[in-house]
This record gives sequence, structure tokens and C-alpha cells, in this order.
Amino acid sequence: GAVVSQHPSRVICKSGTSVKIECRSLDFQATTMFWYRQFPKQSLMLMATSNEGSKATYEQGVEKDKFLINHASLTLSTLTVTSAHPEDSSFYICSARGTSGRAGATNEQFFGPGTRLTVL
Amino acid sequence: GEDVEQSLFLSVREGDSSVINCTYTDSSSTYLYWYKQEPGAGLQLLTYIFSNMDMKQDQRLTVLLNKKDKHLSLRIADTQTGDSAIYFCAESIGDYKLSFGAGTTVTVRA
Repeated sequence: GAVVSQHPSRVICKSGTSVKIECRSLDFQATTMFWYRQFPKQSLMLMATSNEGSKATYEQGVEKDKFLINHASLTLSTLTVTSAHPEDSSFYICSARGTSGRAGATNEQFFGPGTRLTVL
Repeated sequence: GEDVEQSLFLSVREGDSSVINCTYTDSSSTYLYWYKQEPGAGLQLLTYIFSNMDMKQDQRLTVLLNKKDKHLSLRIADTQTGDSAIYFCAESIGDYKLSFGAGTTVTVRA
């Protein structure tokens, strides 16, 4: 149980275009989802916290107008990178926090497999 | 990542034990976690420890927590080639957020 999927797993786009990444909790409800960015050989940097039905909370230094987050249901959150530029190329990982069972009790986050974005 | 520190590399011979160390800063952290990341993949939770525990053992994994020194370690017994990966230490901070270390790349040599 507690599987999180991301789609697409890999995307290449031209500079100036927008890219949407989906994060789904497949077998549990996630009131909170998190979006991370990971640079090569570096740690995960939390970008934003997404709560179902409300606006996302962005970390300091993350442009909310550039990284649009929508959490429309208890199983889906999307991250849209608008007007992408080469410096946005990175590995984007989402995670979801369950509301019951072990996940709810231990604040465990379940991670998706990540999306590799390359902006040309 | 700045509040959680880990050594960046560890090389270990197959069959030996691996010990990965981590220091954190938030004394109010409720849970501390160890995640494993294989190349090109997301993070897999290996184990976690509640802050009022000193030790937790789970098969080949042993987690030691020194809350006074804010030091966490992960010991992998009988390290196998499949254990080669990046290991992240993470502490829980407010609002269910996690703060990650930079990751320790473990290389298992034959």
C-alpha cells in the first residue's frame, strides 16, 4: 500500500513552454502533498506544501507564479512549470502524506518516482 | 538541507557493515527517518525512529539516536551490492515537513 505515482517520468521541452507534472496517491487519500526539487548529487529542496482544496504554501525563494500547484482532489496534485527555462531543468519529486494508519501516525511521507525535466 | 548534515561518501566491502552518520539541529523533531534513493528513482523509506527511542532494529538495519548530541546513525549489516545507493537522513519539522541531509553515497565493492 501507499503508492505514489508521477507522470510523466521524463519530459523534454523547449524554452518558454509550460510543463505539467502529475502526482497521484494510488491507494490512499492524501490531504497533504509536497513538491521537491533535486539537483544532481544534492539533497531534496522543498518547494511547496500542497493541501487539498486550498492554496499551496511556498517555501522562501520559490516563485509561486512560475511553479503553479493545484491540489484538486485527495489523490491528485499537479505542478506546472510555466515558461520553462534551462535553469528549471531538474528532478522533481512529489510526496504524499496519508491521514490514517501508520502514515498518519508517524508523519511518514510516501514519495513518487520523480520526474526528470530537461528544458532545451 | 542545511540543518541536517551527513558525510557525502562511504565505500564498503561486500559483507562488511556500513555505518552512515547524520547530525540534525531541531531538538523538537518528533521523528527521524532514513531514506534510500537508487539512481533515477524516488525515495524509499527504509526506517524511522521516534525521538524518545535510543535504538531501533529492523532486520539488517539498526538505527541509533543520541538525542543529547542530535546524532543519528544507520548501520547496515552484511552489506550487499544492492545496498549501493544514496542514503538520506531526514528530520521532521513543523507542519509535517521534512528537512533532508545532502545524502551519503554508499558504494559497495566486491
